[in-house]
Amino acid sequence: EDQVTQSPEALRLQEGESSSLNCSYTVSGLRGLFWYRQDPGKGPEFLFTLYSAGEEKEKERLKATLTKKESFLHITAPKPEDSATYLCAALNFGNEKLTFGTGTRLTIIP
Amino acid sequence: GAGVSQSPSNKVTEKGKDVELRCDPISGHTALYWYRQSLGQGLEFLIYFQGNSAPDKSGLPSDRFSAERTGGSVSTLTIQRTQQEDSAVYLCASSFGGPPYEQYFGPGTRLTVT
Repeated sequence: EDQVTQSPEALRLQEGESSSLNCSYTVSGLRGLFWYRQDPGKGPEFLFTLYSAGEEKEKERLKATLTKKESFLHITAPKPEDSATYLCAALNFGNEKLTFGTGTRLTIIP
Repeated sequence: GAGVSQSPSNKVTEKGKDVELRCDPISGHTALYWYRQSLGQGLEFLIYFQGNSAPDKSGLPSDRFSAERTGGSVSTLTIQRTQQEDSAVYLCASSFGGPPYEQYFGPGTRLTVT
């Protein structure tokens, strides 16, 4: 059975304090690893797709990386508006459903 | 164009009543998905449509849950004889059904069963 585990569950950072969020996955044949951002009361907002180990993608203060067992979402010099829950999800070759982790709730303190 | 839309945004219903939740996918997206998000839980897959067909209904929790899609566009998720454990946010997503496989989500319908 596919599994996705995210850590930490919650993270509080000072504005400007860089850190990383972890996503460990066990999937029978990874087709894609996805990162989403979710604000309270809203649906998940797509951020990145990673397809193979070694791949990296960047968007503003966020960079996502992928290994054969994990993905990291690095946040550099975060701002309060980066506060949200970040979700990781995996898609395998056997079906079309995303398997989600339970998310990391990130709070950036001004 | 517009994103995925869902209606209603909030629904409060009494235990035992039936409810219908609607999803309008992004124009041109052939694949449509329903997920459920409960407090403190991750998103849970319910059902997937390719066109009007549902090749994967494996996530539907019981036979009280059903879904249909018409015209390769709008989808309706129906929950019959609602129970309190059905209270959750129901999220719809759509995609092109092929690479790059990204699913785009709507704002969700918050269902509360009293």
